[in-house]
Amino acid sequence: EVQLLESGGGLVQPGGSLRLSCAASGFTFSSYAMNWVRQAPGKGLEWVSGVTGSGGRTYYADSVKGRFTISRDNSQNTVYLQMNSLRAEDTAVYYCAKDRCGDTCFSDFDPWGQGTLVTVSS
Amino acid sequence: DIQMTQSPSFVSASVGDRVTITCRASQGISSWLAWYQQKPGKAPKVLIFLASSLQSGVPTRFSGSGSGTDFTLTISSLQPEDFATYYCQQGKSFPLTFGGGTKVEIK
Repeated sequence: EVQLLESGGGLVQPGGSLRLSCAASGFTFSSYAMNWVRQAPGKGLEWVSGVTGSGGRTYYADSVKGRFTISRDNSQNTVYLQMNSLRAEDTAVYYCAKDRCGDTCFSDFDPWGQGTLVTVSS
Repeated sequence: DIQMTQSPSFVSASVGDRVTITCRASQGISSWLAWYQQKPGKAPKVLIFLASSLQSGVPTRFSGSGSGTDFTLTISSLQPEDFATYYCQQGKSFPLTFGGGTKVEIK
C-alpha cells in the first residue's frame, strides 16, 4: 500500500523559514515525480511545486518561486519543501502527493498524504 | 497559465439525484484532466484521471467525459457518502492548476 506521511508543519513568524518532509513507502520512490499542494483555510487547492523522479528538474507556482525549494532524497524515500521568507498568505495545510505519470512527467495526484498545517503569524 | 473554471460552485441535491459538474479550461488540454473528491478535514482523493478513466475502487456511478476545453463529472445516483467538494485539475502544463471547487450538499 502506498503511504505518504508529512511532517514539519507548525507556527512560524512572518519572514521565517520551515522545512516540510514527506516520507514515502509502498512504491519505487525514484520512479515517480512528487508534488506539494496546499489549501488555505476554507479555500480551494493550489499546486505549489513538483520534482521529477531523479530530482533533476523542479517546478514552482509563481506565488512561491524564489522562496520555496523542493528536493528529494531517493535513498531515504523522502521529499522536502524548504520554505523561506514566509508570509501570512502561505498559511495552509500542505499536502504531499505522488504523481501518477512517472519519473519525468506530471499529470495528476494519487495518493495524497494526510497534510501538515503551516501557520504564518506573529 | 491555464485557468480552470468549475460550475456550479454549489449544488444542493437529494439522494438518488443525478448531478453534473462542469469544468472549462482556458485553453486546450487534450485529456489531461482529473477529478478529485474532498471531504471535510481529509485529503482529496482522485476519482477520474485522463478525463474519463475511473480510478480503481471508485464506484461506477462516477463518470467523466470531455476533451479539449470542456469536461464533465457526472454522479448518476447521488449517495449519502458523495456529499463533498469536488475539484478538477489540469495536468497539461505548468503551473498545474485546479478549478475553484463544487460543494455538493444535501437538499
